[in-house]
Amino acid sequence: EAQLVESGGGLLQPGGSLRLSCAASGFTFSSYEMHWVRQAPGKGLEWLSYISSSGSTIYYADSVKGRFTISRDNTENSLYLQMNSLRAEDTAVYYCAREGQQPGYNFDYWGQGTLVTVSS
Amino acid sequence: QSALTQPASVSGSPGQSITISCIGTTSDLGSYNLVSWYQQHPGKAPKLMIYEVNKRPSGVSNRFSGSKSGYTASLTISGLQAEDEADYYCCSYASSNPFYVFGTGTTVIVL
Repeated sequence: EAQLVESGGGLLQPGGSLRLSCAASGFTFSSYEMHWVRQAPGKGLEWLSYISSSGSTIYYADSVKGRFTISRDNTENSLYLQMNSLRAEDTAVYYCAREGQQPGYNFDYWGQGTLVTVSS
Repeated sequence: QSALTQPASVSGSPGQSITISCIGTTSDLGSYNLVSWYQQHPGKAPKLMIYEVNKRPSGVSNRFSGSKSGYTASLTISGLQAEDEADYYCCSYASSNPFYVFGTGTTVIVL
């Protein structure tokens, strides 16, 4: 069965940077589009970013555009999220999620999440 | 693009049926039949329950069903069970950024 495991979360000060990783197993990672979704404490889900299976197409939510960078390494079965210029409002649990197969447009597997806390 | 609108909570007794609504706009629910529903228990990751309005992934109970009319999508849970107590989120593909819009979330309470 598909499995996604995030890592890299932690506590950091405003303005700092962090790189999240998502290790995929149990499926052919290079065939699937992937996403990052976050959830602030006690709040709802927020879509952040999309990357195509090859990595050639990328989209970001306006809330993180210019600060966050999504990438993937299909040889390592890994997804990444580089987060720069972090703000207090970026405090959240960050999930990687796999997009379901055609036509897609849903998230059929999720990781357990990794907590990012931005605080001085 | 604002979040899709869901009721904050819905409650029901075991065995009853409940329905959660999800109201969107022309840019999302009004334009696409690409609505999905997610169940989230406290401290856990979301789980896909319904996709493309009314399709169930393998392994999801047939007590869960979805529908859509105009700008409103709905999730119905029939034969309510204690294990159904959780938060539920709808999600729709949208024509503009952000390309995926989630609902505000609904807490289902089993009395």
